[in-house]
Amino acid sequence: DIQMTQSPSSLSASVGDRVTITCRASEGISNYLAWYQQKPGKVPKLLIYAASTLQSGVPSRFSGSGSGTDFTLTISSLQPEDVATYYCQKYSSAPLPFGGGTKVEIK
Amino acid sequence: QVQLVESGGGVVRPGRSLRLSCAASGFTFSSFAIHWVRQAPGKGLEWVAVIWYDGSYKYYADSVKGRFTISRDNSKNTLYLQMNSLRAEDTAVYYCARGITMIVAVTPFDLWGRGTLVTVSS
Repeated sequence: DIQMTQSPSSLSASVGDRVTITCRASEGISNYLAWYQQKPGKVPKLLIYAASTLQSGVPSRFSGSGSGTDFTLTISSLQPEDVATYYCQKYSSAPLPFGGGTKVEIK
Repeated sequence: QVQLVESGGGVVRPGRSLRLSCAASGFTFSSFAIHWVRQAPGKGLEWVAVIWYDGSYKYYADSVKGRFTISRDNSKNTLYLQMNSLRAEDTAVYYCARGITMIVAVTPFDLWGRGTLVTVSS
């Protein structure tokens, strides 16, 4: 089965900083990659699917890129409300594993 | 109101069984694949299982294969997860989640329930 690996596992950045999270698949998955945001104590929320398509209602400071095995989630200008853990997920076929998560904090 | 509501969680001893339910409302339940996802306390998300919109196909994570069974009753708009031979490592909040696209089973999840906590402990 394909494994999903995220890095870093955590990061701390200042408000306004550009933040980049990486997700790597152990095999090629084309663009079948989604990103989720989970705020503390909350249910996960879909941010991006098809590697780069923003889900409705998601702020434009979030963007995704990549194809094949390497993907990136970027927050162009970190805001206090972006404090959360971010997960990638492949959905090219079942099973649908998540990455280990990246915890984003404000410095 | 479009929503998923899980129930059936609780404390159970190792080796015992538990059945979770997920009640859907506000959308055409029978047109969507539904998944179970779990999250152990303080840990990340783990995909558990999926069932096709019509129940024709089911897939499981290796960690639960042979012990858990996913099923659905489209006449009752309800999803189930029968969990047998429970282990301490099955302790988690269990979420049901809907695929973003009708009929297509393997899609990202745009609707999640609030989850139900399962604790496996002696």
